[in-house]
Amino acid sequence: EAGVAQSPRYKIIEKRQSVAFWCNPISGHATLYWYQQILGQGPKLLIQFQNNGVVDDSQLPKDRFSAERLKGVDSTLKIQPAKLEDSAVYLCASSLEGGLTYEQYFGPGTRLTVT
Amino acid sequence: AQSVTQLGSHVSVSEGALVLLRCNYSSSVPPYLFWYVQYPNQGLQLLLKYTSAATLVKGINGFEAEFKKSETSFHLTKPSAHMSDAAEYFCAVRHGSSNTGKLIFGQGTTLQVKP
Repeated sequence: EAGVAQSPRYKIIEKRQSVAFWCNPISGHATLYWYQQILGQGPKLLIQFQNNGVVDDSQLPKDRFSAERLKGVDSTLKIQPAKLEDSAVYLCASSLEGGLTYEQYFGPGTRLTVT
Repeated sequence: AQSVTQLGSHVSVSEGALVLLRCNYSSSVPPYLFWYVQYPNQGLQLLLKYTSAATLVKGINGFEAEFKKSETSFHLTKPSAHMSDAAEYFCAVRHGSSNTGKLIFGQGTTLQVKP
């Protein structure tokens, strides 16, 4: 079974530029998560999708971050414009369903450096 | 609100020695608790989880953890460290309901294994 795929793996941009990350979850997984992991910290949830609907985006900085999952499969996370403090690893995870008992499977992440 | 605290950002042990990584949680409801491992430039991999069944949980790679409600702890142990155990370890509590389940992570503990 293929795992969660993410691209690109690394990205370097200047502040105020835009960037987009892509995630392909495990086939059949209804729930998709985007986490932000700043160096030296644990991952923090940015947004959770159930199929193509948003379940939780309470910690997404909506003035600059946006995410979509139009067909309930792939997802894109965008930052526009980027700030220095956005430098982090962006992890995508998926699970069969969104409930507490369903295991989340993580992708390898996209490491973003904002200069 | 639910949270986890990992005591010690860095732990160093000799190969063959006992591994003990500490995690304390705060939760107003019976918690679901997890330990994840992250190798360099990789995503998170689930080591083990506590979901209110047996208090001693066995995971992959010889790791285990014991849920102690009286101490609000979920410490991770392994009797004999191997060089391949060197990685970052995250304790997490699952927060949500029947259809949401975001993970709230601790700060992480880097395990160094010396030959």
